[in-house]
Amino acid sequence: GQQLNQSPQSMFIQEGEDVSMNCTSSSIFNTWLWYKQDPGEGPVLLIALYKAGELTSNGRLTAQFGITRKDSFLNISASIPSDVGIYFCAGSDSGGGADGLTFGKGTHLIIQP
Amino acid sequence: DAMVIQNPRYQVTQFGKPVTLSCSQTLNHNVMYWYQQKSSQAPKLLFHYYDKDFNNEADTPDNFQSRRPNTSFCFLDIRSPGLGDAAMYLCATSRDDSSYNEQFFGPGTRLTVL
Repeated sequence: GQQLNQSPQSMFIQEGEDVSMNCTSSSIFNTWLWYKQDPGEGPVLLIALYKAGELTSNGRLTAQFGITRKDSFLNISASIPSDVGIYFCAGSDSGGGADGLTFGKGTHLIIQP
Repeated sequence: DAMVIQNPRYQVTQFGKPVTLSCSQTLNHNVMYWYQQKSSQAPKLLFHYYDKDFNNEADTPDNFQSRRPNTSFCFLDIRSPGLGDAAMYLCATSRDDSSYNEQFFGPGTRLTVL
């Protein structure tokens, strides 16, 4: 099946630093989604990307859909304590709106005081 | 606020004792999904309903079944839970009248098997 390679697996940063994480795939996706999951909770959608090359921002978050449709990155600027959590990329190759997502293995963000 | 609701948030069952997890949504989305997420792993799709049509993933064990009596509700039945079925179970929904597959997740039900 399809696989997403997400890196890094974990990040230890200082508050105020910028963060960057990315996902790559061997196959094409039509949609890339970035989620954040807090312990014991469900994933929360952060950014959705639909078009190759698209760059989208949501507050301090910026994500891009790679031009080849096989990769995406997520940047977080000026990190704050509430950014702590696990970030997942997810891809869908469905042309419509009914298909399961393929998830990366997640990036665990830890902010040191 | 429109949302995806899962009950209970925590469920404890015994080995081999059937258990049902429930999901409801006020988003009026026509697609509902069930994912299994084991500790420190990514969510893994078990199956989904497209309206009333059930779509099973090829590697989902027969032990897992689902029911969707109406648009708002969907149930996950585990007929004979094993220790390996202990996990977080996530329900998600999406709307199929667009080209985009944004899925919205509930808070999950954490299942413990004794």
